[in-house]
Amino acid sequence: QVQLKESGPGLVQPSQTLSLTCTVSGFSLTSYHVHWVRQPPGKGLEWMGRIQNGGSTDYNSALKSRLSISRDTSKSQVFLKMNSLQTEDTAMYFCTSDFDYWGQGVMVSVSS
Amino acid sequence: DIVMTQTPLSLSVAIGQSASISCKSSQSLKYSDGKTYLNWVFQSPGQSPKRLIYQVSKLDSGVPDRFSGTGSETDFTLKISRVEAEDLGVYYCCQGSYSPYTFGAGTKLELK
Repeated sequence: QVQLKESGPGLVQPSQTLSLTCTVSGFSLTSYHVHWVRQPPGKGLEWMGRIQNGGSTDYNSALKSRLSISRDTSKSQVFLKMNSLQTEDTAMYFCTSDFDYWGQGVMVSVSS
Repeated sequence: DIVMTQTPLSLSVAIGQSASISCKSSQSLKYSDGKTYLNWVFQSPGQSPKRLIYQVSKLDSGVPDRFSGTGSETDFTLKISRVEAEDLGVYYCCQGSYSPYTFGAGTKLELK
């Protein structure tokens, strides 16, 4: 069955770079787009970006200067890297395959 | 970027009553392929989001037919007939027609 699972550090220091991995199973990354969506505590969902099945990427306008999404199809993994983190980037980070299947999310706190 | 405006932001209903949520986009969501990529996503407290409806009115597998989606171009509505306790949480509309994708602010469905 289709599964997505996010992994990464729970705590990142301000100004540092966040690296997250989304490991998928039950489908091929060459068949479906994978998106990253985040949710600050007590707030709504924010679309961050996606990597399309062909490998192209799209990004949220407000984040595109800091954000990079890539993948390793042989490992069924999608990667998110975002630099210059600030406290406002504290959030639950989800990966999703076209919004139909979602991971459990990984909580990232930005704090010194 | 396309702005998604949801109303109301909060809705109190009694079990068994119906509920309706509006979502308006700042531009038409009809894509060049003729399809309209408007999703409704639900999040219960502490859980990952779950898509209920895609392409305006198509129910995802396992979603009860108490849920229905209507609309076109820029105006969309999610209706829940006979609200049940498991329906309480936050509903988001999300457009996937034009990148960058965008979510509405969310509508919190609470018990009256």
